[in-house]
Amino acid sequence: DAKTTQPTSMDCAEGRAANLPCNHSTISGNEYVYWYRQIHSQGPQYIIHGLKNNETNEMASLIITEDRKSSTLILPHATLRDTAVYYCIVRVNAGGTSYGKLTFGQGTILTVHP
Amino acid sequence: SQTIHQWPATLVQPVGSPLSLECTVEGTSNPNLYWYRQAAGRGLQLLFYSVGIGQISSEVPQNLSASRPQDRQFILSSKKLLLSDSGFYLCAWSLRNRGGSTDTQYFGPGTRLTVL
Repeated sequence: DAKTTQPTSMDCAEGRAANLPCNHSTISGNEYVYWYRQIHSQGPQYIIHGLKNNETNEMASLIITEDRKSSTLILPHATLRDTAVYYCIVRVNAGGTSYGKLTFGQGTILTVHP
Repeated sequence: SQTIHQWPATLVQPVGSPLSLECTVEGTSNPNLYWYRQAAGRGLQLLFYSVGIGQISSEVPQNLSASRPQDRQFILSSKKLLLSDSGFYLCAWSLRNRGGSTDTQYFGPGTRLTVL
C-alpha cells in the first residue's frame, strides 16, 4: 500500500469546518483513499473512502485531487466530539476471499476547541 | 444494522496466566474477521484474520492464537501471557468481498489488556 503523509496536529474552532490534508504521491491506480478516526481509548471509526471522485456522507466530505496524489477530509461543522486522531490510509480493496490489511500511520491529532 | 461487540473492555492479568478475548458480530453473515493490536503510541498491527469458520491466518509469529468456532464469533487466546502482550486489542469485521465491491473494515470498542 502507498505511504501517506499527514500533519501531526491541527486545531479547529467549534462550528467551523475542519480541513485535514493527506499526501499520497505514490498512490496506484487501484488504490482507494480511506479515512478513519480514533477517539481516545476507543476503537477506530470508519469515516469515508473514495477512489477518484469526491465523496460525501453524513459525517464528512472527501476531496481527491485530479492527479490523486493528495486528498482532504472535510468535517463541515466541527464539534468538540470530533476531537480525535484522524488516519488517512491508502490501500487496495481485497477481492474474493482474500483480505485487505489496514496499516495505520501516526495520523493527525485534531483538537476542536470552544 | 451491524454491530460488533468485544469483551471484556479492560483486563489486568499476571505474566504466565491464560487469556481469552471474545468478539462477536451481529447483523451480517459470513463476515471476514480480524484481530489487531495497538501498542501504546504505535499504529495498528494485524495479528490474525479469518474468512470463515475454522479458517485462521496469522500475520506475525507470536504468543497468541485465534479461533473462529462460529460464523460471527472470533476468539483471541494465549496459554501464557508475556509482558509484551500488553496493548489495546481490536476486533474488526468486513463484508466478504465478491469482487469489485469495497471491504471497509469496522472496528469494535476494543479490549485494553495490561500484563503485570
